[in-house]
Amino acid sequence: QVQLQESGPGLVKPSQTLSLTCTVSGASVTSVDYYWSWVRQLPGKGLEWIGYIYQSGSSYSNPSLNRRVMTSIDTSKNQFSLKLRSVTAADTAVYFCARERRIGGSGGYVDNWGQGTLVTVSS
Amino acid sequence: EILMTQSPATLSVSPGERATLSCRTSQSVSNNLAWYQQRPGQAPRLLIYGAFTRATGIPARFSGSGSGTEFTLTISSLQSEDFALYYCQQYTNWPPWTFGQGTKVEVK
Repeated sequence: QVQLQESGPGLVKPSQTLSLTCTVSGASVTSVDYYWSWVRQLPGKGLEWIGYIYQSGSSYSNPSLNRRVMTSIDTSKNQFSLKLRSVTAADTAVYFCARERRIGGSGGYVDNWGQGTLVTVSS
Repeated sequence: EILMTQSPATLSVSPGERATLSCRTSQSVSNNLAWYQQRPGQAPRLLIYGAFTRATGIPARFSGSGSGTEFTLTISSLQSEDFALYYCQQYTNWPPWTFGQGTKVEVK
């Protein structure tokens, strides 16, 4: 059974960097069949794709986040991580890590989600 | 960026009745469309991918149809656990993948 678990601070100060890690069990982040993604849900709102990373280290992020996103992957720990720089209150959200099915060399749909973690940006 | 429009925003249905949810995209996504269910306080759960293929473990009362720009999720006979939020998502055009704003299925 595939499980993903987010970890990281629940409170970040404005202008600082939000850092989250996702630990994967029941699957390997080195799989060629999947991308490893981050999705967030703003309070009372819908879902927003942040970006994804592949086992090779190649990554893509949502242009709406103005190049503030950095993702990384640690195959030795079977983890992947998100850093979001220069956060503001508008970045307050539930952050989900996810496993995304690779389709035709690109990403696709998410077949497994972490439970999500609330990150609040406040001084 | 492909825009996703779901309708209605809220759907009031009695248990045992049929629910029909709509998702429209601003340009063709072929059949690269997924549906997710989200219950309060939980992560989304994949229901349908490829517009009509049920994910593992999803009951047969959930079905997806459509292609191009018009898609439908049908729940044939609503069970108590089906009252939730439903999102569609396209994965034909990156960046970024985009979601609809959601349809809430509530008890009538």
